[in-house]
Amino acid sequence: GENVEQHPSTLSVQEGDSAVIKCTYSDSASNYFPWYKQELGKRPQLIIDIRSNVGEKKDQRIAVTLNKTAKHFSLHITETQPEDSAVYFCAAPDSGGGADGLTFGKGTHLIIQP
Amino acid sequence: NAGVTQTPKFRVLKTGQSMTLLCAQDMNHEYMYWYRQDPGMGLRLIHYSVGEGTTAKGEVPDGYNVSRLKKQNFLLGLESAAPSQTSVYFCASRREYLGYEQYFGPGTRLTVT
Repeated sequence: GENVEQHPSTLSVQEGDSAVIKCTYSDSASNYFPWYKQELGKRPQLIIDIRSNVGEKKDQRIAVTLNKTAKHFSLHITETQPEDSAVYFCAAPDSGGGADGLTFGKGTHLIIQP
Repeated sequence: NAGVTQTPKFRVLKTGQSMTLLCAQDMNHEYMYWYRQDPGMGLRLIHYSVGEGTTAKGEVPDGYNVSRLKKQNFLLGLESAAPSQTSVYFCASRREYLGYEQYFGPGTRLTVT
């Protein structure tokens, strides 16, 4: 099955600065890579995803980059704001991209310092 | 349109007791999933279903059973609860086609004493 590693486990940045979270995966057949944001006591919510035929995707202040050769993908948040404070999870499909569930990284606790 | 709902929201069980967690979705999704979330561990897949009447094991299936008798419902059962099953349980669903978003329920916080 898939193995997803996520770094760092905790990231503290000053408000207005950028934050980068990195993930690696093991299954070269994986072709879909979502990022979820989870606020304390809430459910995970998708913030951005990327498919393997695209190298980068952007949505306002967040972007995701994918390097299939190196099997890693990253989340970039620019101009961070207090509401960006949360735990972020990367994920990859359990078996390439079928109906199987997602394998999640262990999460990054992003702290935005005022 | 309620999305994905879970019942109950909280539960405390004694070791050896049984219970069933209910997940319901009104989005006509084919695929449904049960995950557990433990501190520092991310979410781990317990069981999943690709359609009514079908179920399959995920990464951590031991101690759990599931059933999908109706397309909109996915039940997770604990026959004999153990303290190691103390966790937050999330149900999720998604459309059939590749790459679509998984929609999560609000979670059930289960404590086994």
